[in-house]
Parts: sequence; structure tokens; C-alpha cells
Amino acid sequence: EVQLVESGGGLVQPGGSLRLSCAASGFTFSDYSMNWVRQGPGKGLEWVSYIGSSGSAIYYADSVKGRLTISRDNAKNSLYLQMNSLRDEDTAVYYCARDHLWAIDHWGQGTLVTVSS
Amino acid sequence: EIVLTQSPGTLSLSPGERATLSCRASQSVSSTYLAWFQQKPGQAPRLLIYGASSRATGIPDRFSGSGSGTDFTLTISRLEPEDFAVYFCQQFGTSPVFTFGPGTKVDIK
Repeated sequence: EVQLVESGGGLVQPGGSLRLSCAASGFTFSDYSMNWVRQGPGKGLEWVSYIGSSGSAIYYADSVKGRLTISRDNAKNSLYLQMNSLRDEDTAVYYCARDHLWAIDHWGQGTLVTVSS
Repeated sequence: EIVLTQSPGTLSLSPGERATLSCRASQSVSSTYLAWFQQKPGQAPRLLIYGASSRATGIPDRFSGSGSGTDFTLTISRLEPEDFAVYFCQQFGTSPVFTFGPGTKVDIK
């Protein structure tokens, strides 16, 4: 069974930093590209970042470019999101998500990031 | 950037009725790259349909997807109590890699 378990969320002040982690199991992690997708309170889904299976291809949404950094460690079956210079509008549930056949086919349960003073 | 629009915003129906949800793209999208998700309160989204019309593993056959170009449809043939939820469409692109529609809420009439 595919499992994606996020951790690292919490309350942070504007301008602060957080590092999210996602532990993957139940599939060959190094075979799949991965993403972070977020959902603000009462809002829709927003794709944040993509990383290819080997880590060589990386893309970001314009809203986070230069502030958030995606990475992965295939030896540890783990995905990461380093979040710097956080803003109020970054408040959201952050989902770790696997993609396959051009769709996100598995999602974690999400971790809440709250940016507030 | 392709923008996805979903209609209606809310669909009020009774169990057993047919639900028809629309997803319209601002420019043509390959059917290969169009997916649908279901999300219930407090839960992560669940993939229903990929490639516009292929059901994901374990999805009941009352869910079907169709469409091409700029107009896509998710149909739920007979609503079950567990189907009342929010439904999102998604397209795969280049920049951004994934785009989501704003969602359609299917609630009980």
C-alpha cells in the first residue's frame, strides 16, 4: 500500500522558516516524480513544486519561486520542502503527492503550516 | 497558463440522482492530461479519473469521465450517500506543472 506521511508543519512568524518532510513507503520511491500541493483554509488546491524521479528536474509555482526549495533523498525514501521568508498567504495544509500518468495518484494526509505573528 | 473553470459551483441533488459536473479549460488540453478528484472535509483528495476517462484503481463504475479539447465532464450516474463531496479537475502542463479547477460542491438537496 502506498503511504505518504508528512511532518514538520507548525506555527511560524512572517519571515520565518520551516522544513517539511514526507516519508514514502509501499512503492519504489526512486521511480516516481513527486510534488507538494497546498490548500489554504477554505480554499482550493494550489500546486507548489515538482521534482523528477532523480531530482534533476525541478519546477516551482511563481508564488513561491525563490523562497521554497524542494529536494529528495531516494536512499531515505523522503521528500522535503524548505520554506524560507514565509508570508501570511503561505498558510495552508501542505500535501506530499506522487504523480503518475500525468495525474496526482496518491496524496499524504497533509501537514498544516500557519504563518502568523 | 491554462485556467480551469468548473461549473456549477454547487450542485444540490438527492441520493440516486445523476450528477453532471463540468470542467472548462481556457485553451485546448490533451485528454491524456486531464484528471478528476474527490475531496471530503478533513481528508486529502482522492484520484477518481485520469486521462479524462480512465477510472483509477478501486473507483466504482458509477463514476465516468468524458470530453476533449476545452470541455470535460465528470458524471456520477446514481449518487450514493458517500458521494456528497467537492470535486476538482486537474490538468498537467509545463508551467505550472499542475493546475486545478476551483471545485464543484455536490451537496444533499
